[in-house]
Amino acid sequence: QKEVEQDPGPLSVPEGAIVSLNCTYSNSAFQYFMWYRQYSRKGPELLMYTYSSGNKEDGRFTAQVDKSSKYISLFIRDSQPSDSATYLCAMRRPSGTYKYIFGTGTRLKVLA
Amino acid sequence: NAGVTQTPKFQVLKTGQSMTLQCAQDMNHNSMYWYRQDPGMGLRLIYYSASEGTTDKGEVPNGYNVSRLNKREFSLRLESAAPSQTSVYFCASTPGRGGASDTQYFGPGTRLTVL
Repeated sequence: QKEVEQDPGPLSVPEGAIVSLNCTYSNSAFQYFMWYRQYSRKGPELLMYTYSSGNKEDGRFTAQVDKSSKYISLFIRDSQPSDSATYLCAMRRPSGTYKYIFGTGTRLKVLA
Repeated sequence: NAGVTQTPKFQVLKTGQSMTLQCAQDMNHNSMYWYRQDPGMGLRLIYYSASEGTTDKGEVPNGYNVSRLNKREFSLRLESAAPSQTSVYFCASTPGRGGASDTQYFGPGTRLTVL
């Protein structure tokens, strides 16, 4: 079983829709959770990071962590064609180690 | 600031050839990483360097060697390339000071094809 599971998609939505992207994980020791956006043929870029359970907002993006269920989500409001990309969730092992685990990514396409 | 830079952007090798992928960061980060990204496999850690002078194996180190040349530079060497090493390689760095903000910044990647 993979430590981090992420639905690969692709996910197609109309412009303006609310998008929900999700990851589940199995290791309760993960403490830090991140979302990256990766455009085609580019490197991943950090969107958001969270530490505790709950919600964190940044503009149209909201990251949600539920440690009890080992489930994290990224919501995109008022989605735009420029949001079309692959979204990767990532988790970091406890402090003292420097190893990150990534989901396989969900490909999102926002249709104009 | 250029952030994390990688050279070359593209490379085609024949089986058995060797090459070195170069990575440099100008953010004064302590930690650096090499990943490979394959379809359906996500990003897999090859090697990392928590700080200058140290390196450690990641999830898929076989067939690779690394050198942390100084704080800025971290190179990845393929001594005898194999078709299974065809992939996109990403270098990343983090401040390496722990805490929630210790997140990774990635380079643009190197697309490697081994024939």
